[in-house]
Order: sequence, then structure tokens, then C-alpha cells
Amino acid sequence: EADIYQTPRYLVIGTGKKITLECSQTMGHDKMYWYQQDPGMELHLIHYSYGVNSTEKGDLSSESTVSRIRTEHFPLTLESARPSHTSQYLCASSEWGIDEQYFGPGTRLTVT
Amino acid sequence: GESVGLHLPTLSVQEGDNSIINCAYSNSASDYFIWYKQESGKGPQFIIDIRSNMDKRQGQRVTVLLNKTVKHLSLQIAATQPGDSAVYFCAHRASGTYKYIFGTGTRLKVLA
Repeated sequence: EADIYQTPRYLVIGTGKKITLECSQTMGHDKMYWYQQDPGMELHLIHYSYGVNSTEKGDLSSESTVSRIRTEHFPLTLESARPSHTSQYLCASSEWGIDEQYFGPGTRLTVT
Repeated sequence: GESVGLHLPTLSVQEGDNSIINCAYSNSASDYFIWYKQESGKGPQFIIDIRSNMDKRQGQRVTVLLNKTVKHLSLQIAATQPGDSAVYFCAHRASGTYKYIFGTGTRLKVLA
């Protein structure tokens, strides 16, 4: 089982709140990713990182931001949550030069 | 534009039968393909991958077939078991990129 963790697993918050979704991996992977997934739908890449201090936006327009200060930690922040942000957020990591991504269990976010 | 799609949103098979899950892609530059399995409440889990220089690859009870001519990918599961019940995603990336395009999942239901 992959050593990648996400907290919280479930979160219900009101509109306008600032939230940070945590993601940590203990495998020393250089590459990390954030995906957004609606129920039963495909995953959409919203952010990725090649290593410390390296972050890039993915294909899906997102109002979130990420940081990569430490190799093992890749938090995602929503400055002002909206109902349209209601979704599942999946974090993943992979080794440099290896395509297989290890996914965390996800955070299911509901914005009321 | 790039797209990856699955033909059947839900597939029901009898326990012990073989399952075939199909996937189509549109980018002829795609050179790496992965199948993921996602169980309820969990993140996707790597099943098997294949590079564009191969037509077939086998794993334990699973086989992936790649037809580059028609841009079609399939996942075959032999002797399907109840534990195989999940949503299956195909994904691909093009050479020189780190971004994966995921398809809409196919839900596999195994009937006892």
C-alpha cells in the first residue's frame, strides 16, 4: 500500500472560507499531483510539482494554489471556497522517470 | 483536442467470467497508457501499463491490448472475482509531457 496521506478525508464548509487540503508522502517522490474528480467522472489535473519550489498549473482552471516547500508535503489551498468547488480532491506522487502514480485516499469537499 | 473516453459506463459480469473494458483515445502522439482501479472511497490504484511500442502486455489475471491504428485500448480481466468490482480508468500521456489525460471510468459489477 502506498504511503501517501490526505487530510481531512471529508470536509463541509461554508462559502467564502479559506481551506487547506493536506497531502504528504513518505516515499521520497519528486513528482506530486493534485487532481479533481467529480463522482464517477474522470480525473482532472489541477496542479503538479516536479520537486521542491517547483509548481505548475494543470489543464483544469482552478482557483486554488499549491506550495512545495518540502519534498514530502504538497498542500492545496482555496482562498475563498465556493459551491462550485464541491468535489473530491486526489493527491498523487511518483518517482522521477517512473510513470506510475500512487494516489492518496482523497478529500471529499462540500461547500455550502 | 485530446480526449480519452470509455465506451461503457457500467459493465456487469458473472463471477468467473472474463471482463473486457474498452477505452478510446484521440491523440496519436500518446505513447504511454495506464489502467487504474478505483474502489469506493479510495484513490486510484495502478493495475498495468503499456508503451506504444507494444501491442499486448500481461499481468496477473490482467491483459492490456493496444491498437494504435484505431487508437483503442482494452483491459481484460480473467476469471473475474468479486474483489474486482470497482471503477476502472484508462489514462494516457504524450511523449515529452508529464500530464496524464484520464477517461471517464467504467464501473465493473461482478455478479455472484
